[in-house]
Amino acid sequence: DAKTTQPNSMESNEEEPVHLPCNHSTISGTDYIHWYRQLPSQGPEYVIHGLTSNVNNRMASLAIAEDRKSSTLILHRATLRDAAVYYCILRDPRAARQLTFGSGTQLTVLP
Amino acid sequence: DAGVIQSPRHEVTEMGQEVTLRCKPISGHDYLFWYRQTMMRGLELLIYFNNNVPIDDSGMPEDRFSAKMPNASFSTLKIQPSEPRDSAVYFCASSLTGVNTEAFFGQGTRLTVV
Repeated sequence: DAKTTQPNSMESNEEEPVHLPCNHSTISGTDYIHWYRQLPSQGPEYVIHGLTSNVNNRMASLAIAEDRKSSTLILHRATLRDAAVYYCILRDPRAARQLTFGSGTQLTVLP
Repeated sequence: DAGVIQSPRHEVTEMGQEVTLRCKPISGHDYLFWYRQTMMRGLELLIYFNNNVPIDDSGMPEDRFSAKMPNASFSTLKIQPSEPRDSAVYFCASSLTGVNTEAFFGQGTRLTVV
């Protein structure tokens, strides 16, 4: 599996935007970029995914670099409920159904 | 739908005992995954099923671990005999067939083997 690199931890102030980076320099042309998050004492939950174009949904936006070697998850206005571990995952849907989790980024939101 | 349902939420057992964890996937989902999470190793895939058939069990740590899916609405993960190093949170997840369908995770079972 292509590897992703994320900062171990980040802090943000409440109601400010948060940009969570992910590097994936060995990404293949068929890898999709998925983001999941895990709130305290809960299972992971889906946030967003994309292939080449930037993506928006009700939870977040995903900005993908033109060369696809990096991406950024954007939370437009962080709330205390957004404090979680955020995982950036690459998956080729033709090759694997499972998600391979790395260590993720622990996001702390300060009031 | 109530989501993926796991039981029990917490299990404390003595070393050497048999432990059975249970999972009810979301109705209609045809993929089911079992993951284990520890501080040291993070989230690891143990096994996954498609249409009740085990597809990849390469993550199952030892013969002490076994998983079954007798029907589309139920799966079990059994550890026999249990050891203290099996202490972890075990998650079950399910998803639909599709190119990039999202996986839905249960709340997990926290297993403590003493």
